[in-house]
Amino acid sequence: SAVISQKPSRDICQRGTSLTIQCQVDSQVTMMFWYRQQPGQSLTLIATANQGSEATYESGFVIDKFPISRPNLTFSTLTVSNMSPEDSSIYLCSVYGGGREKLFFGSGTQLSVL
Amino acid sequence: SQQGEEDPQALSIQEGENATMNCSYKTSINNLQWYRQNSGRGLVHLILIRSNEREKHSGRLRVTLDTSKKSSSLLITASRAADTASYFCATISFGNEKLTFGTGTRLTIIP
Repeated sequence: SAVISQKPSRDICQRGTSLTIQCQVDSQVTMMFWYRQQPGQSLTLIATANQGSEATYESGFVIDKFPISRPNLTFSTLTVSNMSPEDSSIYLCSVYGGGREKLFFGSGTQLSVL
Repeated sequence: SQQGEEDPQALSIQEGENATMNCSYKTSINNLQWYRQNSGRGLVHLILIRSNEREKHSGRLRVTLDTSKKSSSLLITASRAADTASYFCATISFGNEKLTFGTGTRLTIIP
């Protein structure tokens, strides 16, 4: 199993500003995943963050809007840049447990953009 | 993009009744998993079934998988108020390390 500490748990931000979300894992992991969950919707993968290399972004997501850092094997940040109300969502980080099958999730960051 | 579609989108039942949720997916899979999400927070893994398995049990949970129909069902028996949550199926395809989530079912247990 893996325990993930994610913060902030929620924030209310003004249009045009940026927010950085942090995830700390209690063990070393190769891949960390960042998901977005828009209101009432399912989870959509934003990007996969690997230590020592650039993140791999899914279709529809770009580095300029969602820059990701992965300085070591236990930590990652996701920044939501130049926010608009359409960015209001829950953002979740996750990692695989042993066997690279089951995902463990942080508690999520509920973002509201005014 | 989403791999799985779940139905129903929402389900309300009385406490003590059984709840059944269904998931359909599009491509061949390595395994299928079910997750629970309480009040828009982090997801919790419930159960995993591999493509060569047809049924799996874990406590009050029973999962079935029909690869010929590309569908799965999750049965929660003897439901409790604490089972109120959203439930998502998720799949991993062969050669892919990324989980793709279904649309989810919102389950409400009425005390």
